[in-house]
This record gives sequence, structure tokens and C-alpha cells, in this order.
Amino acid sequence: AQSVSQHNHHVILSEAASLELGCNYSYGGTVNLFWYVQYPGQHLQLLLKYFSGDPLVKGIKGFEAEFIKSKFSFNLRKPSVQWSDTAEYFCAVNAGTSYDKVIFGPGTSLSVIP
Amino acid sequence: GAVVSQHPSRVICKSGTSVKIECRSLDFQATTMFWYRQFPKKSLMLMATSNEGSKATYEQGVEKDKFLINHASLTLSTLTVTSAHPEDSSFYICSAPGTSGRKQYFGPGTRLTVT
Repeated sequence: AQSVSQHNHHVILSEAASLELGCNYSYGGTVNLFWYVQYPGQHLQLLLKYFSGDPLVKGIKGFEAEFIKSKFSFNLRKPSVQWSDTAEYFCAVNAGTSYDKVIFGPGTSLSVIP
Repeated sequence: GAVVSQHPSRVICKSGTSVKIECRSLDFQATTMFWYRQFPKKSLMLMATSNEGSKATYEQGVEKDKFLINHASLTLSTLTVTSAHPEDSSFYICSAPGTSGRKQYFGPGTRLTVT
């Protein structure tokens, strides 16, 4: 069965600092990988996804993530965070076969200080 | 893009009553839908997989008699929380895979409060 771990439970950064949130998954087969964001009081939004091809994927709001197959990792990055990036970030994975359930990591709470 | 709706968005009920939550795929058909539960400041925990025309598949530790799932049509799945208790208070979210099957579309969630 798939599982997802995220390195940090809570991250606090100042505005303009660079961000990297770690994500590792365990699954032996082909996977699809996702990062979701949940702003306070709002529902999930997809930041970016990896299905195949270029392991460096770019998403919305200046976020990007790199899939490193050998490390079973899919870390999220942003060069310069803003106060509005304060939110919960969830890494998620599903098996490469279609229509499979998505398993979420425990989440990382990001607080950006103005 | 594909849209998934949930109804109601918020519900408050008394202990011992049952509550039904609907999940609809608005512009696509979904033979499979997924139900998640999210506690405050926690991640989404998969509860069950809803299958159109057959029984739902429940994750380990989820009581199937407590959380009844019915996938009545290709665009509608319902989750009924039976004999609700305060500990059932949570945010319930459904999702459905899009046409390609790889990407999931999430509903906006239903906030259940049991008093």
C-alpha cells in the first residue's frame, strides 16, 4: 500500500525566504504525485502534479516540485515566499493505474511572517 | 474543468440522528468516488471508495455500518453518518477521478457538527 511522509510539521519563514518542503512516498510501482494547498478556511487546491516526463514540474503561484525516483521524493519549492502563502500543504500520491485512490501525507503548516 | 459539488456545505445535527451528505460530479461521469475525512489541522484520511452499482470498499478501521455509502448513479454518491455522535464531527470531503483517471477532483467539503 502507498504511504506518504512529509518532513516538516510546521515551517515558519519570513517573506522573501526560499521554501522547500520535503515529501517521500513508499510505493514500488508507477505513481502519480501531487501537491495540494489548503488556505485557512478554504478547501483543497491543486498546486501541481507529476504524471510522467520531465521530473521538474511547475505549478501555480510560482511553486515547483522535483520528482527524484531513486529517492522516492517529490519536494516542493518556491524561491521567494509571500505572506499569502501561509497555508497547509499536502503531498499526495496515487498508483499509476488510473482511477486509484489518492493517499495524503500528514501535511505541513507554513506560516510566512511579513 | 471538471467540477465536484457537495451538499450541504455545513450541517449541525443532534446526537443520535443521521445525516446524509451528497457528492455530485457536475459535468462528467464517475464510476468511482472517494470519501475522505479531515480533522482540524490534520490531513485527509481516506474513508472509503464508492463504486457505482456495487458495494463500497472501506478502509481499515472505518465502520461500514456507521458510514453508509450509496453510489446511486454515475454522478452521485452519498455518505450517511448514522446515529451521529460528537466525535463524528469533522470535515468530510469527496473526490472523483476525471476522464483520464489520473487526476482527482475534490469537492468543497461538508462541515458536520454533532451536538
